[in-house]
Amino acid sequence: DTEVTQTPKHLVMGMTNKKSLKCEQHMGHRAMYWYKQKAKKPPELMFVYSYEKLSINESVPSRFSPECPNSSLLNLHLHALQPEDSALYLCASSLTANTEAFFGQGTRLTVV
Amino acid sequence: GQSLEQPSEVTAVEGAIVQINCTYQTSGFYGLSWYQQHDGGAPTFLSYNALDGLEETGRFSSFLSRSDSYGYLLLQELQMKDSASYFCAVRFFTGGGNKLTFGTGTQLKVEL
Repeated sequence: DTEVTQTPKHLVMGMTNKKSLKCEQHMGHRAMYWYKQKAKKPPELMFVYSYEKLSINESVPSRFSPECPNSSLLNLHLHALQPEDSALYLCASSLTANTEAFFGQGTRLTVV
Repeated sequence: GQSLEQPSEVTAVEGAIVQINCTYQTSGFYGLSWYQQHDGGAPTFLSYNALDGLEETGRFSSFLSRSDSYGYLLLQELQMKDSASYFCAVRFFTGGGNKLTFGTGTQLKVEL
């Protein structure tokens, strides 16, 4: 299994909703990442987990809350989002924090 | 901070060779990576230069010169399916851990 799987693929949520994005990998990778990507822009790093511990938070607003329940799973909990948070949210993993990153297909999020 | 600049758009014909440049202002990074992203898809790893010089992977080659703060991706025998966005990226160490930061991205259009 050489895939990073993200669910759901598409999500529409209201500004008062609470939702979660999920990411799963079974490659034995110990580093996992969340990126945000707007149209025609590069992916922007949000969070890095290394060995299931949060190692980097790129000053992301608290309405985004990451969670790493185990070495294969990464969640992003969403609450009280704004329309400008609409974007493609990409999960990635790598064997360690120093090695090539594999990306999932992303969740296209629309906040209404 | 870290900044990686790329041309926004490059157009070439099928069968040709194209070079996508990446100039950066950063220091202390581990190496330069290249990713391909088709519209609506995930970034896919193409190549990595840890050291100065040329790395070849099939039709794709990548080059790094740390003294010139410059790298490029060379695509040979262009095919229509190569139409995509291409990002250079650097991995560097911060106090919290390793970050993978992307360049501004180049949209490659391959024409008949």
